[in-house]
Amino acid sequence: AQSVSQHNHHVILSEAASLELGCNYSYGGTVNLFWYVQYPGQHLQLLLKYFSGDPLVKGIKGFEAEFIKSKFSFNLRKPSVQWSDTAEYFCAVTSSGGSYIPTFGRGTSLIVHP
Amino acid sequence: DSGVTQTPKHLITATGQRVTLRCSPRSGDLSVYWYQQSLDQGLQFLIQYYNGEERAKGNILERFSAQQFPDLHSELNLSSLELGDSALYFCASSVDQDGNTIYFGEGSWLTVV
Repeated sequence: AQSVSQHNHHVILSEAASLELGCNYSYGGTVNLFWYVQYPGQHLQLLLKYFSGDPLVKGIKGFEAEFIKSKFSFNLRKPSVQWSDTAEYFCAVTSSGGSYIPTFGRGTSLIVHP
Repeated sequence: DSGVTQTPKHLITATGQRVTLRCSPRSGDLSVYWYQQSLDQGLQFLIQYYNGEERAKGNILERFSAQQFPDLHSELNLSSLELGDSALYFCASSVDQDGNTIYFGEGSWLTVV
């Protein structure tokens, strides 16, 4: 069965700081990887996704993530965060072994101070 | 707006009661997924329906049940409610059976007192 671990549960940054959120998955086969964001009071929305090809994927709002197969990781990065990035961030994985049902990590709460 | 509509947005009920949460998927989407989000468990997959049929089952309790109707809306029924069932229940939808492109509703907050 597939699973996802997010190591940072709470992150507090000041504006303009760089961000990196860790995500590791466990599944031996081919996976599809996702980062979702949930702004306060809103629904989850897709930030970026990786299916195949270039392991460095760029998403909306200046976010990017890098798939490192040897480390089973898909870390999310942003060079300079803004107050508006305050949100909950979820890493997710789908695979044939999981019937392509998204399995989510427990989420990382990011607070950005102005 | 994702196009996925969930009602009610907030619900407070007593232990032992039964509630029904409703979800209307995006127009044209055939799959509906239900997830439970709680502080201690994170976002847990409950169940998926595709075109009226149950396709996949996750960590759904026996006290919970769901169905998808011919018009493709779905309902999640929670019975014999316990304090621990207090959570945010999300519905999501996708065009086809796999969850590689899914859209989430805003959730239904359930508080059991």
